[in-house]
Amino acid sequence: ILNVEQSPQSLHVQEGDSTNFTCSFPSSNFYALHWYRWETAKSPEALFVMTLNGDEKKKGRISATLNTKEGYSYLYIKGSQPEDSATYLCAPPMDSSYKLIFGSGTRLLVRP
Amino acid sequence: GAVVSQHPSRVICKSGTSVKIECRSLDFQATTMFWYRQFPKKSLMLMATSNEGSKATYEQGVEKDKFLINHASLTLSTLTVTSAHPEDSSFYICSASSGTVSTDTQYFGPGTRLTVL
Repeated sequence: ILNVEQSPQSLHVQEGDSTNFTCSFPSSNFYALHWYRWETAKSPEALFVMTLNGDEKKKGRISATLNTKEGYSYLYIKGSQPEDSATYLCAPPMDSSYKLIFGSGTRLLVRP
Repeated sequence: GAVVSQHPSRVICKSGTSVKIECRSLDFQATTMFWYRQFPKKSLMLMATSNEGSKATYEQGVEKDKFLINHASLTLSTLTVTSAHPEDSSFYICSASSGTVSTDTQYFGPGTRLTVL
């Protein structure tokens, strides 16, 4: 069973601060890594699917990097806004299939 | 983007009754649908995977007779919690995908909060 860890568990920042958090996963047999943003009372929203070592993806103020050799991915948010407040989840597939194993998430709260 | 609806959003039922939760892909055809459960302060745990027209595949430890899954069409999957008991109280959430490989995105519904009295 894959062990997926996310840190920190929660994070409080001020509006305008930049922040980042980590997703760690086993580096052997890597297939892909999915990042989701989950706002309270809404559906989890797909952010990125990362596949290649050294990959960097960007969506607005959010970007993510991937290191498959050491088994981690960073998610960065530049100039955090209150609307960025959400739980950020990462999920590698169990194997080559489409079944995802989710980390427990990083809960971000951005104070105005 | 792809939209997935889930109904009901919240349900309270008496112990021993059955509850059906619907998951619909509104603007795409879902080759595969997934059902997850979230325990308090835990992450999403995959319960089962369903493909249209075939039997669902359940993860280890998930009782198939307790959690009946039907994937009747490419846009609808249902989860029925049979003879529900208080320990079945949880947050259930579905996702849908138009693909079948590890890089295909799953699009999630908003979830259903089940409370069994």
